[in-house]
Amino acid sequence: ETGVTQTPRHLVMGMTNKKSLKCEQHLGHNAMYWYKQSAKKPLELMFVYSLEERVENNSVPSRFSPECPNSSHLFLHLHTLQPEDSALYLCASSQEWQGDEQFFGPGTRLTVL
Amino acid sequence: SQQGEEDPQALSIQEGENATMNCSYKTSINNLQWYRQNSGRGLVHLILIRSNEREKHSGRLRVTLDTSKKSSSLLITASRAADTASYFCATRANQAGTALIFGKGTTLSVSS
Repeated sequence: ETGVTQTPRHLVMGMTNKKSLKCEQHLGHNAMYWYKQSAKKPLELMFVYSLEERVENNSVPSRFSPECPNSSHLFLHLHTLQPEDSALYLCASSQEWQGDEQFFGPGTRLTVL
Repeated sequence: SQQGEEDPQALSIQEGENATMNCSYKTSINNLQWYRQNSGRGLVHLILIRSNEREKHSGRLRVTLDTSKKSSSLLITASRAADTASYFCATRANQAGTALIFGKGTTLSVSS
């Protein structure tokens, strides 16, 4: 599809679990993003990485921990989440940080019980 | 606060009709983009219009931008059932180091 893949597509976890979301882009882009999409709310930018360095962290709780080992891969490590963290988590990439067009993955639907 | 806000929140039309969605924003922008999202999927970039442009076309899509009113519209002509999706505007402020800000979206339903 768009060259950005996300795994898993669906995840159900308890509040005490630790899990990770994975994103991979095959577009040769230098910037990668994590967004949270909740019902009836605008898309919320969580983290931005440019050339593997974090350039934006929008006051996200520490129970979300991003990792960018290289420019093609982005992880979101989750631990001790709350039910209100249930949402669609979208990964995106762009040629550069603040590049014109972002390419999105299909998302991970997360449910926290 | 939220930069882009779409109107209406939901729109239902018949196949073949035109669909118009509006986006209003608050601060000076460098560009405005429209994205489409099919149910439970990622967003797909549709079109970008820069602050010095007034109108742009792409296939059945027409986007206008009025910077004096801080508003944009997306027109989909001759709609099809496959156009059923949510449509989001996203704005890039003029300030350096700012992220793309998305609105809440308009949900379009096209029935055959």
